[in-house]
Amino acid sequence: KQEVTQIPAALSVPEGENLVLNCSFTDSAIYNLQWFRQDPGKGLTSLLLIQSSQREQTSGRLNASLDKSSGRSTLYIAASQPGDSATYLCAVAGSQGNLIFGKGTKLSVKP
Amino acid sequence: DVKVTQSSRYLVKRTGEKVFLECVQDMDHENMFWYRQDPGLGLRLIYFSYDVKMKEKGDIPEGYSVSREKKERFSLILESASTNQTSMYLCASSLIDNYGYTFGSGTRLTVV
Repeated sequence: KQEVTQIPAALSVPEGENLVLNCSFTDSAIYNLQWFRQDPGKGLTSLLLIQSSQREQTSGRLNASLDKSSGRSTLYIAASQPGDSATYLCAVAGSQGNLIFGKGTKLSVKP
Repeated sequence: DVKVTQSSRYLVKRTGEKVFLECVQDMDHENMFWYRQDPGLGLRLIYFSYDVKMKEKGDIPEGYSVSREKKERFSLILESASTNQTSMYLCASSLIDNYGYTFGSGTRLTVV
């Protein structure tokens, strides 16, 4: 059964730092991997989608990489801002098409 | 942009009531999903549907049912609400399996 793990569970950094969030999964047979952002009490906002044949995707200050063989993905956030404070969730799509989520990394960026 | 709309942001219901959570998407997506999210447990899949009138059980279907009479609408039904169903409920849709998901803004359900 696919399991998704995110490390660290929480992270606090000063504004301006570059940071990396980690995601690992146990079964490399995935269709794609998606990173989401969730603000308190709100739904999920899609940040980046990486297909299984791709190695990375970029959007603005965000860059996500995928290494299927090792079961790892990283989300890189450049020049962090207080507005980046949120919970970041990693999810993989398996053979049934449903998403399996990690428990998230709660990011706090201090001004 | 694809929009997934959940009809209620907050709901308070009494134990034993029948509860309907509605979800509508506006981009002709085949796949629709219902998750619940609880502190410490993360997001867990309740039910999903690949087409009209089709449904598949997820990881935690007990106490729930679903209805998909039209492609754009996917309803989650709590036949007899219980306090352990107090949670955040999130609906999502996707075009086909290899495409990303779009989520609604969630419904915070409290059962008293």
